Amino acid sequence: GAGVSQSPSNKVTEKGKDVELRCDPISGHTALYWYRQSLGQGLEFLIYFQGNSAPDKSGLPSDRFSAERTGGSVSTLTIQRTQQEDSAVYLCASSLATGMTEAFFGQGTRLTVV
Amino acid sequence: AQRVTQPEKLLSVFKGAPVELKCNYSYSGSPELFWYVQYSRQRLQLLLRHISRESIKGFTADLNKGETSFHLKKPFAQEEDSAMYYCALSGNAGGTSYGKLTFGQGTILTVHP
Repeated sequence: GAGVSQSPSNKVTEKGKDVELRCDPISGHTALYWYRQSLGQGLEFLIYFQGNSAPDKSGLPSDRFSAERTGGSVSTLTIQRTQQEDSAVYLCASSLATGMTEAFFGQGTRLTVV
Repeated sequence: AQRVTQPEKLLSVFKGAPVELKCNYSYSGSPELFWYVQYSRQRLQLLLRHISRESIKGFTADLNKGETSFHLKKPFAQEEDSAMYYCALSGNAGGTSYGKLTFGQGTILTVHP
């Protein structure tokens, strides 16, 4: 595709519900990253995929957060039993390869937990 | 541990004035430094990286390893430069770098007419 695509753009959910956020990276990009952008916390790394494997999950804030990637392409970030502190913009980025290549970001999913 | 500090949350200048957005980092190895920009209602995008030693939209940034800084500079600010700017670091953990970025808190630059 033309760029990294994320869906939905906005999501409002009730506390305690599960949500799934989707990321379609640029075709051919092997590396995929999830970040979270929240007030007062800036941009925080969540998880990194190389192909379908996640060598670094160190940024996931709790076991309520999980992510997977299938076919070396689409990735889904799942948040179970959402809490109000999960409210943030979730950003996905992809890059052609690992290392110092440019990361291209999606427009983000704004999650609001009420 | 790697850390990026942007001391200014807000920075306001007038059009035509010089602007400098500060960025300091801590990292024990040889980091790669980047500046990302997010214009209003647009996605985060790369502005420049230190290894390229290039000037983008009139902005430059020099990596100063002695001061562990990577300040972003432009001699004459324009209104269209108003945006959120993030300094970011990509480290070389354990000899393997995979592009994970550590971001600063960001600086909102406002250029007044």
